[in-house]
Amino acid sequence: DAKTTQPPSMDCAEGRAANLPCNHSTISGNEYVYWYRQIHSQGPQYIIHGLKNNETNEMASLIITEDRKSSTLILPHATLRDTAVYYCIVRDRTGNQFYFGTGTSLTVIP
Amino acid sequence: GAVVSQHPSWVICKSGTSVKIECRSLDFQATTMFWYRQFPKQSLMLMATSNEGSKATYEQGVEKDKFLINHASLTLSTLTVTSAHPEDSSFYICSARGAAESGNTIYFGEGSWLTVV
Repeated sequence: DAKTTQPPSMDCAEGRAANLPCNHSTISGNEYVYWYRQIHSQGPQYIIHGLKNNETNEMASLIITEDRKSSTLILPHATLRDTAVYYCIVRDRTGNQFYFGTGTSLTVIP
Repeated sequence: GAVVSQHPSWVICKSGTSVKIECRSLDFQATTMFWYRQFPKQSLMLMATSNEGSKATYEQGVEKDKFLINHASLTLSTLTVTSAHPEDSSFYICSARGAAESGNTIYFGEGSWLTVV
């Protein structure tokens, strides 16, 4: 039931920006884009979410295309601790369930 | 951000016994909590939605009589795996929906490892 597609894996050099893409071509007008990450053997950690405007917080930036059919999560200066599986999820703000896709396994390389 | 805590973090039980996992929202009230299961190298699979004061809603293919969910208060939901078998061994994760002020963001617990021997 996941409505998103992500590349299965990516590598990024430590200190460089990590850009993680997500396609959500069937997103509806009232659905938000959420990003979470899961470090091995832990519960998912909330990163950021947005509707149509670009968003930035202390962890990351979220760039959503004008047609909202895709988005990119940007970790500006990746560290080794950012190695994790990153999940992109679309959800109605008042909706409940989160359905997870396969996510992107990001490996930050020293 | 809001904190969701699970207990125990890991548990080993004998085949045929039952085991209970607790999920608590520590600094907010959660009318809705969710239970997921995750097998190694796989994504999270939603099992059920737990609503305070009412019956849980189970996803297709999840046995409600095997995975008993109780959500008796606004800060606690429990998952009981009944008559556990080795194939029930998995990583169980709960989550809770935060308040409207937080954009109804969903926060996850640390997860509970269940091993059935």
